[in-house]
Amino acid sequence: QSALTQPASVSGSPGQSITISCTGTSSDVGGYNFVSWYQQHPGKAPKLMIYDVTKRPSGVSNRFSGSKSGNTASLTISGLQAEDEADYYCSSYTDSNTLIFGGGTKLTVL
Amino acid sequence: EVQVVESGGGLVKPGGSLRLSCAASGFTFSGYTMNWVRQAPGKGLEWVSKISSGSGYIYYADSGKGRFTTSRDNAKNSLYLQMNSLRAEDTAVYFCALSTTAPNDYGLDVWGQGTTVTVSS
Repeated sequence: QSALTQPASVSGSPGQSITISCTGTSSDVGGYNFVSWYQQHPGKAPKLMIYDVTKRPSGVSNRFSGSKSGNTASLTISGLQAEDEADYYCSSYTDSNTLIFGGGTKLTVL
Repeated sequence: EVQVVESGGGLVKPGGSLRLSCAASGFTFSGYTMNWVRQAPGKGLEWVSKISSGSGYIYYADSGKGRFTTSRDNAKNSLYLQMNSLRAEDTAVYFCALSTTAPNDYGLDVWGQGTTVTVSS
């Protein structure tokens, strides 16, 4: 199964909002409300930012929000801050009872 | 503190075997599905395998089917990944991860620091 499709990179200035897309199929993203988003800084373990499409774990800033339409999920970061610069990965449950990740998006804060 | 710590990584020749371990603490290990996720150098995350709380079901990504075996010992609060017939493309940091985001367990909110596997002659 191919990885979910994410843009390789996005950028934005401090204070702006950016959106990262994650496109799959009806067998994963489109078929279930089990999309998650992870933030990963260099050399660190991934950190869960969004799960079940829209839910935020305790301690995650409300500047991070998730949504989904059809086979595409999105992560929006508002009020961009320097510390948001990182790699972001989406993942989804699949109809094979497995998980699949996106290829990752590098966020640059200008 | 909820924590998982991986170990067992190292340098292995192509065709060789390696067994990774993940030691859990700070939570009721026997109550959670556990996952292995890997990341090749400079690449993205790749889900590898998961095992249910009682080992009743185990799933693998296509890349590891027939070569990797996931198991757990709830008495020892430990998760394992036996990797056989290793290939250069298995070179990666291997993470142990789980979800405590009930009722669904697809958002992995607990991760270890990873253990590095290098397959090279």
